[in-house]
Amino acid sequence: DTGVSQDPRHKITKRGQNVTFRCDPISEHNRLYWYRQTLGQGPEFLTYFQNEAQLEKSRLLSDRFSAERPKGSFSTLEIQRTEQGDSAMYLCASIYYRGLAGVISPYNEQFFGPGTRLTVL
Amino acid sequence: GQQLNQSPQSMFIQEGEDVSMNCTSSSIFNTWLWYKQEPGEGPVLLIALYKAGELTSNGRLTAQFGITRKDSFLNISASIPSDVGIYFCAGLTTSGTYKYIFGTGTRLKVLA
Repeated sequence: DTGVSQDPRHKITKRGQNVTFRCDPISEHNRLYWYRQTLGQGPEFLTYFQNEAQLEKSRLLSDRFSAERPKGSFSTLEIQRTEQGDSAMYLCASIYYRGLAGVISPYNEQFFGPGTRLTVL
Repeated sequence: GQQLNQSPQSMFIQEGEDVSMNCTSSSIFNTWLWYKQEPGEGPVLLIALYKAGELTSNGRLTAQFGITRKDSFLNISASIPSDVGIYFCAGLTTSGTYKYIFGTGTRLKVLA
C-alpha cells in the first residue's frame, strides 16, 4: 500500500501527558499537511511542510504543539501537557508540489491518511 | 479556523434519487477538491477541479468549478446505500500561502 499512513490509529491519554503521532506520506510527495478535525466539523489546517521546512503554522497550533519533518519524509506531531480540548482526530495529508506548475492539474490533489483519534481523559 | 459554507448540512434521500450539494466561499480558489469521509476514517478524494467553469465526472459523481471561482457543486446521480457518509469540499488558496480550506460538510443518508 503506497498511500498515506498514520500511527497510532487511536490514542487514549490522561490530561497532562505528552503524546506523539507519526505520519508517513506518499513516497514521492514533497509537501505534508497536518489537520485537526473535531466532531461535526471539516478538517482544520494546523501546519505544512515542504520537504523538511515548516512553511506555515496556524494560530490553532499553540505552544504545546510541535511538528517536525526531519528528513523530509515522515513527520511527527507532538502535543505536550495534553488538555481535554485536544481530543480530536488528527489527520495528515500529502501532495506533490511542482512550484508554479503546481496550480495546473493534477498536482494539487491532496491525499489523506486514516487519521489518529486522540482522547484525553 | 476558517471553514467554507456547505449546504445542505445534512440530507436524507431515497435510493435511486439524485443528490446535489454546494460549497461557497468569500475567497477565490485555484483548485476545488471534493472528499467523502466515513466514520473513523480519513477523507477520500473523489474529484479535483482546476479551472473556472470546469465540469468533471467520476462515475455517478459530477462536480463543477463555479465561474466566479468562489463556489463549487457536487452531484451524485442514482444514489445507492454505500453513498452514505460526509462529503467535504476544499478550496486551495495560493495567495501568500498554499493551503486547503475545508467546508463544514454535508452528511448524506440514503434510505433503501
